[in-house]
Amino acid sequence: NAGVTQTPKFQVLKTGQSMTLQCAQDMNHEYMSWYRQDPGMGLRLIHYSVGAGITDQGEVPNGYNVSRSTTEDFPLRLLSAAPSQTSVYFCASSWGTGLNTEAFFGQGTRLTVV
Amino acid sequence: SQQGEEDPQALSIQEGENATMNCSYKTSINNLQWYRQNSGRGLVHLILIRSNEREKHSGRLRVTLDTSKKSSSLLITASRAADTASYFCATARLIQGAQKLVFGQGTRLTINP
Repeated sequence: NAGVTQTPKFQVLKTGQSMTLQCAQDMNHEYMSWYRQDPGMGLRLIHYSVGAGITDQGEVPNGYNVSRSTTEDFPLRLLSAAPSQTSVYFCASSWGTGLNTEAFFGQGTRLTVV
Repeated sequence: SQQGEEDPQALSIQEGENATMNCSYKTSINNLQWYRQNSGRGLVHLILIRSNEREKHSGRLRVTLDTSKKSSSLLITASRAADTASYFCATARLIQGAQKLVFGQGTRLTINP
């Protein structure tokens, strides 16, 4: 049982490049979300999904797109990378809509935009 | 916006001592959760306390919740070197049919052998 798997673990991008951060879970969780973690800021919600075909914006969605075509996968796309998007990105999943349940986190993707 | 404010930002104690971390928040919540993050790793769920609960235990962990003061505390008893990590509180609210977690900035705990 792998849990939540994120790829890649590390990535360096040039300003203006695009890329997709992959996230997959094998727990049949309906709720999936993406966070970014910056020093001194805790984790901030970027986008979330309550099921296949349903996504919505979180606290800091600008510059990111998501889609949810299957229950298992929730990729995060950076459209045109900027240095301000240098961060550690975490994908998480929860059972159902997540209320009163714990979130399971991936190991993170450390992204540097130069 | 950051919902949870954690205190202290950093804590260093000797192995065997107890560690207490505090979390304050601003709005009503459905539950409050505590997570641990080891260096370079993802967050791991420790304990969840619902808004109608006042205290909860799990092994060496004790969590309290005071909704009138909008605050929570995490106590780790008999600390071990392996407890060295960052600890985050996350407040949970049901918004548009989904639980939204808002994380604090975390407390960095160091256990000295």
